[in-house]
Amino acid sequence: DVKVTQSSRYLVKRTGEKVFLECVQDMDHENMFWYRQDPGLGLRLIYFSYDVKMKEKGDIPEGYSVSREKKERFSLILESASTNQTSMYLCASSFTLAGDYETQYFGPGTRLLVL
Amino acid sequence: AQSVSQHNHHVILSEAASLELGCNYSYGGTVNLFWYVQYPGQHLQLLLKYFSGDPLVKGIKGFEAEFIKSKFSFNLRKPSVQWSDTAEYFCAVNVLISNFGNEKLTFGTGTRLTIIP
Repeated sequence: DVKVTQSSRYLVKRTGEKVFLECVQDMDHENMFWYRQDPGLGLRLIYFSYDVKMKEKGDIPEGYSVSREKKERFSLILESASTNQTSMYLCASSFTLAGDYETQYFGPGTRLLVL
Repeated sequence: AQSVSQHNHHVILSEAASLELGCNYSYGGTVNLFWYVQYPGQHLQLLLKYFSGDPLVKGIKGFEAEFIKSKFSFNLRKPSVQWSDTAEYFCAVNVLISNFGNEKLTFGTGTRLTIIP
């Protein structure tokens, strides 16, 4: 079974703090994704990565950055947390097969509260 | 850019009722379609997917969905719901964004389903 783990289930931070959210997958997937999930807005893509050291902006990258130094690990960084970044953050991973589409597997999520 | 619309925000049904959740997408090219489900306190997980072939797709737990290309729709159905189907359901469309097979998944806003015993 694919396993995607996230470093924290719940996190409370103060405005202005630097926040690191870690995601690890154990299936040698090339692709990794960070989403945020908000009521009434569904899931919105923040950043994604197709390979080590590669990153692409998603639909809402402002205020976030990412790091992918190893294939299995994808970190989301909030450089200076703000209250509007209070949300549920979901990490996902998938294979890439040329000409085919692969299912994304999701982690349990990190619920972040910024005070 | 592609988008996905789920018109039902919250659906409340009694056990044994039939279910249909709407999903419409906007994208002119080839798409692949998914329904994901999130049970209370659990991971988002795949319910079913359409890649090609038979437009009627069967998934886990008795769910099915029909891809109607002319209507840009991929509605989710279940003939008889159970209390354990209480969850949030997300429709998603996957499109290729590079020649290397890289894709991007766009989600709808979700439908919260509450089943009353």
